[in-house]
Amino acid sequence: AQTVTQSQPEMSVQEAETVTLSCTYDTSESNYYLFWYKQPPSRQMILVIRQEAYKQQNATENRFSVNFQKAAKSFSLKISDSQLGDTAMYFCAFRDNDMRFGAGTRLTVKP
Amino acid sequence: ETGVTQTPRHLVMGMTNKKSLKCEQHLGHNAMYWYKQSAKKPLELMFVYSLEERVENNSVPSRFSPECPNSSHLFLHLHTLQPEDSALYLCASSQTLGGNYNEQFFGPGTRLTVL
Repeated sequence: AQTVTQSQPEMSVQEAETVTLSCTYDTSESNYYLFWYKQPPSRQMILVIRQEAYKQQNATENRFSVNFQKAAKSFSLKISDSQLGDTAMYFCAFRDNDMRFGAGTRLTVKP
Repeated sequence: ETGVTQTPRHLVMGMTNKKSLKCEQHLGHNAMYWYKQSAKKPLELMFVYSLEERVENNSVPSRFSPECPNSSHLFLHLHTLQPEDSALYLCASSQTLGGNYNEQFFGPGTRLTVL
């Protein structure tokens, strides 16, 4: 069974600084997709960024980028120039046939 | 309304009550999902529907009963729940069930408290 592990339950970062959220996963499949979702306080979960396992190039979406290490089964999220609006729960997710989520990392951006 | 909506947003019920959660998606998607979100635990996939047919039930207790009357609506009927069922229940939809690239769009959730 595929599992997704987020080892950092809580993190904080100063506004304008960079923070990296870690995620590891376990699978025997070679073709799959990885996602980072953001859930702001009392708001809907939204997709931040996604990565196809067969692509070596790391995905980037504005201030959000990933470090995808397929051999290590690692998929970390880097947030550059952190903003107060980035405060949220961040969930790493893995999709083969099913979608599996990690337990989440609560990120607080401090002014 | 756009995206995925859920009602009610908050629900408090006793263990003997019967209630229903409603989800509606306005995206023209064919697949819908129910998740349970508990504090400090991964999201738990409960039910998956594709084109109004249930395709997955992850060993969810029978006190949770889903219904998908059409591709835009999904219900979760609740009866004789336990206090440990208190959680945030999230509905999601995706364009299709298959296809790993499919993004899931989430509703705001229903915060359920069972007394």
